[in-house]
This record gives sequence, structure tokens and C-alpha cells, in this order.
Amino acid sequence: AQSVTQLGSHVSVSEGALVLLRCNYSSSVPPYLFWYVQYPNQGLQLLLKYTTGATLVKGINGFEAEFKKSETSFHLTKPSAHMSDAAEYFCAVSDGIQGAQKLVFGQGTRLTINP
Amino acid sequence: DTEVTQTPKHLVMGMTNKKSLKCEQHMGHRAMYWYKQKAKKPPELMFVYSYEKLSINESVPSRFSPECPNSSLLNLHLHALQPEDSALYLCASSQDRAATYEQYFGPGTRLTVT
Repeated sequence: AQSVTQLGSHVSVSEGALVLLRCNYSSSVPPYLFWYVQYPNQGLQLLLKYTTGATLVKGINGFEAEFKKSETSFHLTKPSAHMSDAAEYFCAVSDGIQGAQKLVFGQGTRLTINP
Repeated sequence: DTEVTQTPKHLVMGMTNKKSLKCEQHMGHRAMYWYKQKAKKPPELMFVYSYEKLSINESVPSRFSPECPNSSLLNLHLHALQPEDSALYLCASSQDRAATYEQYFGPGTRLTVT
């Protein structure tokens, strides 16, 4: 079965600093990986996804993630944090084994931006 | 248009009430999903519809009854809920059921059971 581990339930950075949110996955088949962001009292918004091809994936709002098969990781980064980045971030792996897509989410990382 | 809409935004219901949540998308997506999300937790999958047929039921109690009247609409009928069912209910859709397609989420319905 697929699984996702997000290291750090809470990450705090200063405005303008590097953002690094960690995600490791476990998958018995080639993984399809996603990062979603959730702002308070809202639904989830897709930041970026990896399916096949280029291992460095660029997403919205200046975020990017690198798929590293050898490390089973898909960490999310942003060079310079902005106050508007404060939110909950979920890493997810897609399990298509049952013939319908099931997203397996990590526990989430709450990102706080300090002024 | 990459929008999934959900109504109502907030719902308060007693344990003997019957209510319904509605979800709509006009992206031509053929897979639709219901999730339940408790505070400070990730979403938990409840149901998956693929081409208007129920393909996954994650052992959800029968007091939750999904319905997919057409390819654009997904309902969740609620009856005799318990206070522990209070949560954010999220609807999502994807192009089809293939694992490569991203899911688009609606803003959710905040349900409170009294």
C-alpha cells in the first residue's frame, strides 16, 4: 500500500527565507505525487504534481519540488517565503491500483511565516 | 473553468434531521469524490464515483448516502448523523479515474451536528 510521511507537523520561517517542506513516500509501483495547499476554512488547491518525465517540477506561487527516487522523497521548496504562504500543506501519493484514483495524504505541515 | 462548487457553505443539523450536500463541476470530469476532513487532519476519502457509478465506498456508515444524478453533479444525503460526524466535507473531481490526473477540490461544507 502507498503511504506518505511529512516530516515536521509545523514549520516556521521568516519572510524572505527559504521554505522547505519534507515529504517521503512509500510505493510499490511508480508513484504519482502531488502537493496541495489549504488555506484556513478553504478547500485544497493543487500546487504541483509529478507523474513522469522531468524530476524537478515547478508549480504555482513560486513553489517547486524535486522527485528523488533513490531517496523516495518529494520535498517542496520556495526560495523566498511570503506572508501569504502561511497555510497547511499536504503531500499526497496517488494509488490507482483499485481502478479508481485514491489519494493517500500525509498528515500535513502547517507553515507559519514570521515578519 | 477549473471550479468545483459546493453548497451550502455551512450546515447545522440535529441528529434526527435529513439534509443534503451538493457538489457541481462543469469541467467535463468523469470522476468525483467525497472526503471528510476533521480539524488539523488530512482529508479522508469516503466515496468515489467514476462515470456516474459508485466505484469506491470506504466503509462509510449508511447514514451517509451518496448520489450522482449526472456527470456534473454529486450529492451527499445525510440522515441520523452523530455529533462526531461534524467536519468539513470536501468534494473533488478529476478528469477520470486514472492515477495521473489531479483532483480539483471545492471549498467544502462545514457541517455541525447538534
